[in-house]
Amino acid sequence: QKEVEQNSGPLSVPEGAIASLNCTYSDRGSQSFFWYRQYSGKSPELIMFIYSNGDKEDGRFTAQLNKASQYVSLLIRDSQPSDSATYLCAVNSNSGYALNFGKGTSLLVTP
Amino acid sequence: DTEVTQTPKHLVMGMTNKKSLKCEQHMGHRAMYWYKQKAKKPPELMFVYSYEKLSINESVPSRFSPECPNSSLLNLHLHALQPEDSALYLCASSQAGLATYNEQFFGPGTRLTVL
Repeated sequence: QKEVEQNSGPLSVPEGAIASLNCTYSDRGSQSFFWYRQYSGKSPELIMFIYSNGDKEDGRFTAQLNKASQYVSLLIRDSQPSDSATYLCAVNSNSGYALNFGKGTSLLVTP
Repeated sequence: DTEVTQTPKHLVMGMTNKKSLKCEQHMGHRAMYWYKQKAKKPPELMFVYSYEKLSINESVPSRFSPECPNSSLLNLHLHALQPEDSALYLCASSQAGLATYNEQFFGPGTRLTVL
């Protein structure tokens, strides 16, 4: 079973700060990387995906991928209390169909 | 429109009941998935349908029976469940069946409680 590792947190940041969420993966052949946000009691919501090395920005979110280091991160700028949620990192499996999920990082943005 | 719908939102059933969960998407996606998620755990893949054919069954007990009547609909038939099957059941869809370069979108889920 290929592994996707995330710090479970909670990661606490003040409102307006940058939240940095990290994820490492063990399968060097992985090609697709996804970040999902999940509020308590709700379903996962896709917020970012990245397929190439480097940065990808969408609004307040930036995904960063470094395949050499097998590392993907999510930056949330100008964090808001509404960003408080669990963030799941997911990586395509080598079987092709499945996503391997990390256990998620709990983010708490304090006013 | 990136909406996947699921019914019912909540379901309580006894161990001898038979019930079904339903999922629908109108995004033209050709792959649909069932996941199970327990509290404070990530989603676990159960089944994958690609082009209406079952592509993956992750060694799921036979008390869970999936069905894909057409490319927009996915059902999960439940029979003789155990209390430990209580969880959030998530449906997802994607344009194609491979996870590579292929985003999966989740529905709101069905919260299942087995008494």
